[in-house]
Amino acid sequence: GQQVMQIPQYQHVQEGEDFTTYCNSSTTLSNIQWYKQRPGGHPVFLIQLVKSGEVKKQKRLTFQFGEAKKNSSLHITATRTTDVGTYFCAQAGTALIFGKGTTLSVSS
Amino acid sequence: GAGVSQSPRYKVAKRGQDVALRCDPISGHVSLFWYQQALGQGPEFLTYFQNEAQLDKSGLPSDRFFAERPEGSVSTLKIQRTQQEDSAVYLCASSWDRGSGQPQHFGDGTRLSIL
Repeated sequence: GQQVMQIPQYQHVQEGEDFTTYCNSSTTLSNIQWYKQRPGGHPVFLIQLVKSGEVKKQKRLTFQFGEAKKNSSLHITATRTTDVGTYFCAQAGTALIFGKGTTLSVSS
Repeated sequence: GAGVSQSPRYKVAKRGQDVALRCDPISGHVSLFWYQQALGQGPEFLTYFQNEAQLDKSGLPSDRFFAERPEGSVSTLKIQRTQQEDSAVYLCASSWDRGSGQPQHFGDGTRLSIL
């Protein structure tokens, strides 16, 4: 079935460094959503991207949707310890098809 | 309540027992979803309700899994004759509209352990 692949699986950074996670699909996506799951918590909706080449910003987070709508990225500038968690992209149809996520750890 | 509520938070059962997991979605949300999340993995879709109608159950792993939402609000996921591979976190999510691409609001999940 259709899948979204995420890389890297894990990323450790020092506080203040930047972080990027990538989401790729072999087929064109109608839209994509990003979620954050804190350790022991549940996924929390961050954003939805719909348009080709779309870029959206939320404070230190920048989300991009590729021109071909087959890839997406999430970039965090100047990470903080509060950014720790697993970031998932999800193909958003009626139900969500999640990638495996990128787990971010941050040391101060 | 303000969010999606799931109970119990933790459930331990012996292999072969039946379990029932409850989800109380955000009031007024039309769509309700069940997902299964194994350790270190992303949530995997199980089934979807629009009001009381179960429109998609393609993700249910076997006929031991059954879900219902009889009055279009609270939903129950039942697993019969549990097996060890059923151990996972079961997440419920709801969204306010029936359209695709709506943000989903997740509950804290039920962590099921089968001994």
